Amino acid sequence: DQQVKQNSPSLSVQEGRISILNCDYTNSMFDYFLWYKKYPAEGPTFLISISSIKDKNEDGRFTVFLNKSAKHLSLHIVPSQPGDSAVYFCAASDYNQFYFGTGTSLTVIP
Amino acid sequence: DGGITQSPKYLFRKEGQNVTLSCEQNLNHDAMYWYRQDPGQGLRLIYYSQIVNDFQKGDIAEGYSVSREKKESFPLTVTSAQKNPTAFYLCASSIDAGPRQPQHFGDGTRLSIL
Repeated sequence: DQQVKQNSPSLSVQEGRISILNCDYTNSMFDYFLWYKKYPAEGPTFLISISSIKDKNEDGRFTVFLNKSAKHLSLHIVPSQPGDSAVYFCAASDYNQFYFGTGTSLTVIP
Repeated sequence: DGGITQSPKYLFRKEGQNVTLSCEQNLNHDAMYWYRQDPGQGLRLIYYSQIVNDFQKGDIAEGYSVSREKKESFPLTVTSAQKNPTAFYLCASSIDAGPRQPQHFGDGTRLSIL
């Protein structure tokens, strides 16, 4: 049973525009959320996180938004760059372990 | 350069054979993890270790075994009891097993059945 879902397997965005990646979760006990970025033939690397006591966290071009009532989080990348093309995983923690989504493949078109 | 090293990158297993996947980290992290990734699924936790000589089963531990004799090393053995071992395996580590510690991942091992 997938507790963290990324319903869009892929996304294409023009360079310079905004990329919005979405993630939904079902477990209301999740209180910490992360986004990872993965290039082909490499392991995922940590990108940005947010605690459930916040609804927004920003780091440079990357912003994560959390809507607890909707059990939804999103990652905004502004402006998108070709080097952002990768697979993005969201993950959620219930104080015991992390649960990962299936990933969204982002392609930024020059 | 600190990081996590997984070897080999590709591994082939014959039916009924045990194979061991290597994971070494030089980040001085206490906690280490093994995940499995299948097409269309998120990463699923196989085993994790919070400290040397201790490890816990994750969601899909059946058919796998681990050891944690050294802080730096957390090898995963895929036994013949694992009926569907073909997958991409990722090893990770974190400073400790706290729920707010991001995990650092290796580049993975792809295991296939001959």
